[in-house]
Amino acid sequence: DIVLTQSPGTLSLSPGERATLSCRASQSVSSNYLAWYQQKPGQAPRLLIYDASSRATGIPDRFTGSGSGTDFTLTISRLEPEDFAVYYCQQCGSSPFTFGQGTKLQIK
Amino acid sequence: EVQLVQSGAEVKKPGESLKISCKGSGYSFTSYWIGWVRQMPGKGLEWMGIISPGDSDTRYSPSFQGQVTISADKSISTAYLQWSSLKASDTAIYYCAVKIAGYSSPWYWFGDYWGQGTLVTVST
Repeated sequence: DIVLTQSPGTLSLSPGERATLSCRASQSVSSNYLAWYQQKPGQAPRLLIYDASSRATGIPDRFTGSGSGTDFTLTISRLEPEDFAVYYCQQCGSSPFTFGQGTKLQIK
Repeated sequence: EVQLVQSGAEVKKPGESLKISCKGSGYSFTSYWIGWVRQMPGKGLEWMGIISPGDSDTRYSPSFQGQVTISADKSISTAYLQWSSLKASDTAIYYCAVKIAGYSSPWYWFGDYWGQGTLVTVST
């Protein structure tokens, strides 16, 4: 199984700042099939990015996915109050389609 | 509008059986793989398996193979997740999700659209 390690575990930033979240895979992700999700308390996950860099429907352009092979990044250019949540990456190209352990983005 | 509506919260005792559901609408139910994801209390997401409702082709994570059964009834656009004998460690929120973007394959899956989740509590 591919193990995904997200860092940092917790990120404390202020609205308006830039957030950089990392997801590292234990082996190369097939065809860069990597997704990012946002989850707020009491809600289902919401797809942000798929195929490493394609924004899902309705996702603001302040969310950008990048990376390839084993190293991937989610960047939020200017944090809005509604962006504070937990973020998960998932590799989508090799079954079982494993998730990272999550990064909690909290208000500083 | 794509929607997945899951069945309501369940409280069960260890050893009991359970089947929860996920009804899809707003898209071609038989054309896209539906998956199930577990989230234990205060923990992260775990991929359990997927099913192609058109032909009931099913793939499981090794961690869940033999522990649960995924099925679908295409006549009523509903997917299911069932247990024959629940354990306390099955206590979790279970989400269904469907992958619509990109091409359809059992080797390429992520959750485009998600159900609201079903809380399953197993306790004496």
